Parts: sequence; C-alpha cells; structure tokens
Amino acid sequence: AQSVSQHNHHVILSEAASLELGCNYSYGGTVNLFWYVQYPGQHLQLLLKYFSGDPLVKGIKGFEAEFIKSKFSFNLRKPSVQWSDTAEYFCAVNAGRFGAGTRLTVKP
Amino acid sequence: EAQVTQNPRYLITVTGKKLTVTCSQNMNHEYMSWYRQDPGLGLRQIYYSMNVEVTDKGDVPEGYKVSRKEKRNFPLILESPSPNQTSLYFCASSDRGFVDTQYFGPGTRLTVL
Repeated sequence: AQSVSQHNHHVILSEAASLELGCNYSYGGTVNLFWYVQYPGQHLQLLLKYFSGDPLVKGIKGFEAEFIKSKFSFNLRKPSVQWSDTAEYFCAVNAGRFGAGTRLTVKP
Repeated sequence: EAQVTQNPRYLITVTGKKLTVTCSQNMNHEYMSWYRQDPGLGLRQIYYSMNVEVTDKGDVPEGYKVSRKEKRNFPLILESPSPNQTSLYFCASSDRGFVDTQYFGPGTRLTVL
C-alpha cells in the first residue's frame, strides 16, 4: 500500500534560515510527487511537482525539491525562509495519498 | 476565474441529521475527490471520481456517500453524521486524473455535536 511519511511535525525557524522538510514514500510503481502548501486560513495550493526528468524541481516562491529514487525521498528545500512562509506543508504521492503535514513557523 | 467552490464553509449540526456539502468546479476537470483533514493525520481521501457516474472509495469512506451526476459537481453526503466526522473537508479536482495536480476548494469546517 502507498504511504507517505513526513518526518517533522512542527519546524520553527528564524527568518533567513535554511529549510529542509523530509518526505519519504512507499510505493512500488511509478510515482508522481507533489508538495502542497496551506497558508493560515487558506486552501491547499501546489508548491511544486515531479513527474519525470530532472530530479531537482523548482517551484514557486524559491522552493525546490529533489527526488532521490534510491532513497524513496522527495525533500523540500528553501535556502532562506521568510516570515510569509509560515504555513503547513504536505507531501503527496500520485495525488491521492498525503503525508501528515509539517507545520512551519518562521519567526521574524 | 478557475476555481473549486464548496458550500457551506462552516456547519454545526447534531448527530444523525443528514447533511450535504456541495462541491463544484468550473475547469471541466474529469477527476474530483473529497478529503478530510485532521490534526496529525494530514489529508485522507474519502471518495474520488474519475468521471461522471464513476466513483470509488478512498481510504476513509465509512459514513459518507457521494454522487457524480454532472461533471462539474461532486457532493458529499453524510446520511447520519456522528461526532467522529467533525473535521475540515476539502474538495479537489484535476484534469488528467489522480496523477495530476489537484486544485482545492476553500474547505468546509464541520462540527457534529
């Protein structure tokens, strides 16, 4: 069965700190990988996605993620976070399977 | 504007009183889905639909029903709500099926007393 694990439940960073959120999945077939973001009081929106090709994908607002097939991972990164990045981040596999989410709090 | 709409946005009801949460999309998407979001559990899929008159169970379908009579609408029905169905519900749609980017509605916060 498909599963998605997000390692961190809550991450607290100061502005300008670097961010890496872990995501591991369990699935034997072809995977399409997504990161969604949910800003406070808003609905989920796509941050970035990987279907095929270059395993390093870039998304909106300076986020990027790297697909490492051998590690079944799709970690999200941002070199320098801003207060406005405070949100909940969800990793998803093949659209229907989501991780539990990581809440990111960025302190000004 | 391309969007997924849900109604109502907030609902407080009592155990056993049937309710329907509507979902509509204006993007001509074939795939639609319902999720519930609970703290620490993320989003869990309730039901999904690949096209009109085609629906299938997700991970947590118990206590819910859906129908897909028209391409744009995908209502979620709780025939006899119970307190454990208190949650935040999201409807989503996508163009090329469940492997494509999903577009989410604004959510419906349901409280069952």
